Amino acid sequence: KQEVTQIPAALSVPEGENLVLNCSFTDSAIYNLQWFRQDPGKGLTSLLLIQSSQREQTSGRLNASLDKSSGRSTLYIAASQPGDSATYLCAVNNQGGKLIFGQGTELSVKP
Amino acid sequence: GAGVSQTPSNKVTEKGKYVELRCDPISGHTALYWYRQSLGQGPEFLIYFQGTGAADDSGLPNDRFFAVRPEGSVSTLKIQRTERGDSAVYLCASSSQREASYEQYFGPGTRLTVT
Repeated sequence: KQEVTQIPAALSVPEGENLVLNCSFTDSAIYNLQWFRQDPGKGLTSLLLIQSSQREQTSGRLNASLDKSSGRSTLYIAASQPGDSATYLCAVNNQGGKLIFGQGTELSVKP
Repeated sequence: GAGVSQTPSNKVTEKGKYVELRCDPISGHTALYWYRQSLGQGPEFLIYFQGTGAADDSGLPNDRFFAVRPEGSVSTLKIQRTERGDSAVYLCASSSQREASYEQYFGPGTRLTVT
């Protein structure tokens, strides 16, 4: 049974700092992995999707990496801004169907 | 085009009542998913439709929960005899099976409160 874990559960950093969010999964036979952002009381916004054959994806200040063999993904955020404050969720897709989510990392970027 | 939409945005109901939650997927998306998110947790899968049929309903917690997608577009999640433990945000997502990525796009959710 696939299980997804995100560490840390919460993170507070000063503005401008580079930071890394971690995601681990127990079954390496994944189809893809998605990183989402969720603002309080809102739905999920897809940030990056990495296919199982890919090692990383980049969008602006965000870079997501995938190491399938070790069951890990990281989301790197460069030069963090207060507007980056949100909960970040990692989710894996085993068969092109349902997503299995981690519990999320609540990020706070202080001005 | 328009994203995934869900109605209502908020629903308050009394214990024991019946509720229906609606999801309008992105036009042309053949796959539709329902998830449930409790406070402080990641979303949990409920059911997945491919066209009109349920391809995977393994996440439905019990037989009080039922979902339909009769024409392969709009879906309705139905909850009978609601319980306080059903209180959560219900999220809907859709994806295009023509995209090899199977990227899922989420709606804003329906916040259900059972009193």
